[in-house]
Amino acid sequence: LAKTTQPISMDSYEGQEVNITCSHNNIATNDYITWYQQFPSQGPRFIIQGYKTKVTNEVASLFIPADRKSSTLSLPRVSLSDTAVYYCLVGDQGGSYIPTFGRGTSLIVHP
Amino acid sequence: GAVVSQHPSRVICKSGTSVKIECRSLDFQATTMFWYRQFPKQSLMLMATSNEGSKATYEQGVEKDKFLINHASLTLSTLTVTSAHPEDSSFYICSARRQDGSYEQYFGPGTRLTVT
Repeated sequence: LAKTTQPISMDSYEGQEVNITCSHNNIATNDYITWYQQFPSQGPRFIIQGYKTKVTNEVASLFIPADRKSSTLSLPRVSLSDTAVYYCLVGDQGGSYIPTFGRGTSLIVHP
Repeated sequence: GAVVSQHPSRVICKSGTSVKIECRSLDFQATTMFWYRQFPKQSLMLMATSNEGSKATYEQGVEKDKFLINHASLTLSTLTVTSAHPEDSSFYICSARRQDGSYEQYFGPGTRLTVT
């Protein structure tokens, strides 16, 4: 199981772009990278998933370099409501995959 | 999108009693569901993997006789905390995996258990 490493916390201000990087040096060939957002006392919410290069959806972008040993979640123009914990998970997404959470990154967005 | 519900959303019980938490996949079938526990300021910790029609697989250090898991149908898994103690107070989260080949995973909203 690929171990992930993220910064424990980050601070930003409203309107700024936030980039959270996750290291996963032993990612396997079949592994995907998935990011979740969690607010206090709520379950994790899926943000984005990718395998390589760049993926973009309505809330975020995910950048994955060619070696896939890291990935960066990019949140454009954050607002106060983006204050949450962000988790990076790595796994093959197949029938035997067990989502395992690391420590996550606590993002605080200031006015 | 697919929805997973949990019931109750919060529960307070007295020490020594048992509490059942339900996890339902509302619009898809899930052969596999996962149960997590999350203490304040900590990450989600996997407790067990629940498979429909078979015994759950517990993570190391999780007492199977204390945390009873029943996955009796393709849309329902239950976690029963038996003889609850204050140290069992935590946020319990389930997730469900679609069985239609997509293997997409969806998380429930969580259940706050407080044992007094």
